[in-house]
Amino acid sequence: DQQVKQNSPSLSVQEGRISILNCDYTNSMFDYFLWYKKYPAEGPTFLISISSIKDKNEDGRFTVFLNKSAKHLSLHIVPSQPGDSAVYFCAARGGSDKLIFGTGTRLQVFP
Amino acid sequence: SAVISQKPSRDICQRGTSLTIQCQVDSQVTMMFWYRQQPGQSLTLIATANQGSEATYESGFVIDKFPISRPNLTFSTLTVSNMSPEDSSIYLCSVRGLGGYTFGSGTRLTVV
Repeated sequence: DQQVKQNSPSLSVQEGRISILNCDYTNSMFDYFLWYKKYPAEGPTFLISISSIKDKNEDGRFTVFLNKSAKHLSLHIVPSQPGDSAVYFCAARGGSDKLIFGTGTRLQVFP
Repeated sequence: SAVISQKPSRDICQRGTSLTIQCQVDSQVTMMFWYRQQPGQSLTLIATANQGSEATYESGFVIDKFPISRPNLTFSTLTVSNMSPEDSSIYLCSVRGLGGYTFGSGTRLTVV
């Protein structure tokens, strides 16, 4: 039972345009959501997070939107840069502070 | 945020043997976790490492296969026991500290 899903395994975006990565979850008890970026041979790097009591959080080029009624969150990257090319994971915090990860979306930003 | 040193970064092991992975944090942290990322898959939580007591394992993971120690608030080990090729994965240590959730760089394990 996959509680956190990223339905797009890959996304290709032109440099300078907006990248939108999506994530859906099933458990309404999740209280905190995070996005991580992962390069090969490295651990995940934290990008941005959002509490379940908010619907938007912004940090530089990164904005996360949360729609609780739809159990959906998205990460917007604008403008996209070639260095953003990586695998992006969304994660949700459940009981006992555990993070449950989505399946990941591979983003490729081309010139 | 906390800085994590995870060792070894990679290893190739013979089936039937065991490997112990170390996770050292530069500050005291409340929570430490161990994850596995199988090839092309997401990160799956193996267990929560509890300081001074037995780890809390997720469904599908057992102590005999993945014994975990956490002798203090800055250090933990995960052992992958009696390895088979199916254990070939990236194993990641993670902590929850004041700066949020941080991950180590991972241990890439190949079992032959």
